[in-house]
Amino acid sequence: DIQMTQSPSAMSASVGDRVTITCRASQGISNYLAWFQQKPGKVPKRLIYAASSLQSGVPSRFSGSGSGTEFTLTISGLQPEDFATYYCLQHNFYPYTFGQGTKLEIK
Amino acid sequence: QVQLVQSGAEVKKPGSSVKVSCKASGGTFSSYTISWVRQAPGQGLEWMGGIIPIFGAANYAQKFQGRVTITADESTSTAYMELSSLRSEDTAVYYCARDGGAAAGSGWGQGTLVTVSS
Repeated sequence: DIQMTQSPSAMSASVGDRVTITCRASQGISNYLAWFQQKPGKVPKRLIYAASSLQSGVPSRFSGSGSGTEFTLTISGLQPEDFATYYCLQHNFYPYTFGQGTKLEIK
Repeated sequence: QVQLVQSGAEVKKPGSSVKVSCKASGGTFSSYTISWVRQAPGQGLEWMGGIIPIFGAANYAQKFQGRVTITADESTSTAYMELSSLRSEDTAVYYCARDGGAAAGSGWGQGTLVTVSS
């Protein structure tokens, strides 16, 4: 199985900050990577697909990059509504695997 | 726009089985994959398995092999996830999600809480 190592597991930041979350795959997954945001008690929401494509309706402050084994999600100019938990998902090979999640909290 | 609507919450006894449904509307059901993902209280997302209705064959995470069965009924545009030999650790919210290439994770059901308790 492909392991997705997501870091950090938790972080605190302030409104307006730029933050980066990383996912590393244990083997190459091309660009079959998506990023999700989840707020407590809510359904996960896709932010990025194909590693770097912005989901329709998602603010442009969210961006994704990477290919192969290393991927990043960047939020430029944090807004209060961005404080949530973020997950990556590899869907190149079965079984699909999620990263462990990054909880983004307000500093 | 594909919409996925899941069946309601369940309370089950240890050792029993649960079957959760996921009805799709919009799009062509048989042409895309449905994955099942679960989330235990306070924990992360865990992919359980998926199915392409047109092919009928499912793929499962090793952790659930032998206990989970994912099926699809094209006539009703409904996917099902059945989990057997339930234990307390299976208490979780179970989600269905659209899958398949660029569509992976593009749409989710509302989630079904399954509580396993004696």
